[in-house]
Amino acid sequence: DIQMTQSPSSLSASVGDRVTITCQASQDISNYLNWYQQKPGKAPKLLIYEASNLETGVPSRFSGSGSGTDFSFTITSLQPEDIATYYCQQYDSLFTFGPGTKVDIK
Amino acid sequence: QVQLVESGGGVVQPGRSLRLSCAASGFTFSSYAMHWVRQAPGKGLEWVAVISYDRSYDYYADSVKGRFTISRDNSKNTLYLQINSLRAEDTAVYYCARGRYFDWPQNWFDPWGQGTLVTVSS
Repeated sequence: DIQMTQSPSSLSASVGDRVTITCQASQDISNYLNWYQQKPGKAPKLLIYEASNLETGVPSRFSGSGSGTDFSFTITSLQPEDIATYYCQQYDSLFTFGPGTKVDIK
Repeated sequence: QVQLVESGGGVVQPGRSLRLSCAASGFTFSSYAMHWVRQAPGKGLEWVAVISYDRSYDYYADSVKGRFTISRDNSKNTLYLQINSLRAEDTAVYYCARGRYFDWPQNWFDPWGQGTLVTVSS
């Protein structure tokens, strides 16, 4: 089974800050990696697919990069509406989510 | 618009069974794989099961294999999850999510339903 780790598990940043979350796979998953945003009490929402492709309608301040085992997700200018938990998810071998990174405003 | 609406959750005693449903609308249901994903209270997301667009295959997480069965009725645009021998650790919000188009390699969960809560308690 492929295991996914994320860091940090939580972070607090100011509005306008650049925020970066990392995700690591236990084996090479090429670019078979997606990122989701889950706001409190809501269903998750797809933000980034295939490691670096922005889903239609998602603000351009969100981006993703990486391949193989190491990936990153960045919010270039944190906004109050970005308060959420962010999950990476691999689909190279079935499906596994990372443990999530909770982002809030300082 | 594309919409997924889950139903069938509730409070169930340990050892009992439950069937969840997910009604799909706004897209050609029979062209997409479908998934169930669950989230225990205060915890992260756990993928549960997937069924192909034509029911030719299904796969399960090890944690539910043998107790959960995913199925679909393309004539009714509905996805199901049969859960048997319920355990306390099955307590979670269960989400259905649309998967990949036919057998295309692109594979993500989009969109998701609002979820249905299953609570296993005596």
